[in-house]
Amino acid sequence: NAGVMQNPRHLVRRRGQEARLRCSPMKGHSHVYWYRQLPEEGLKFMVYLQKENIIDESGMPKERFSAEFPKEGPSILRIQQVVRGDSAAYFCASSRRAVAGTATNTGELFFGEGSRLTVL
Amino acid sequence: SQQGEEDPQALSIQEGENATMNCSYKTSINNLQWYRQNSGRGLVHLILIRSNEREKHSGRLRVTLDTSKKSSSLLITASRAADTASYFCATGPLNSGGSNYKLTFGKGTLLTVNP
Repeated sequence: NAGVMQNPRHLVRRRGQEARLRCSPMKGHSHVYWYRQLPEEGLKFMVYLQKENIIDESGMPKERFSAEFPKEGPSILRIQQVVRGDSAAYFCASSRRAVAGTATNTGELFFGEGSRLTVL
Repeated sequence: SQQGEEDPQALSIQEGENATMNCSYKTSINNLQWYRQNSGRGLVHLILIRSNEREKHSGRLRVTLDTSKKSSSLLITASRAADTASYFCATGPLNSGGSNYKLTFGKGTLLTVNP
């Protein structure tokens, strides 16, 4: 009964390098969400993906950031040409069904332990 | 205040005491959730309360919701040292077209329970 698995747990990059963060959802879950937590802040929504589809990327910066969730393998959040302001904890969450907040859907997301990116 | 803003920012109590944390929000919501985050770890979902509910219990947790005041409280009774963590409230948007995954988190309350 593995939960949401994220790797690496810690990543250090120099400015201008690329960062790749991986997320394997819980077994049976096909909906993945990425959130970012800046220091001393609450989590902020970035992107929602289903297998091979980006459903909502309204919270993701337009430049340098991209996300994918291929048919096989984990979801990947990619940050190109990292800057110091990208230093944060990046959390992935998953759900079995679309989280619609209806009476028949608890709206609960299952979060991973996060990947902490430090940009030097 | 921000959507989903908790207070106090930090709370220190003795084991066995009750801990109360509050959350205020600004816009209409579908539901409000509380999460716990141990230092350097991921978030653990504690409890969800819907906008048409006023109170909910789960073990030692009691959550209230007052939509007229746009506020919620989380009460942890008979606290234990293991309850030491940051506690976040998160609101699910109303009229979101199904986008309840867009939770809005506050900055959290850091609870320290001293043995």
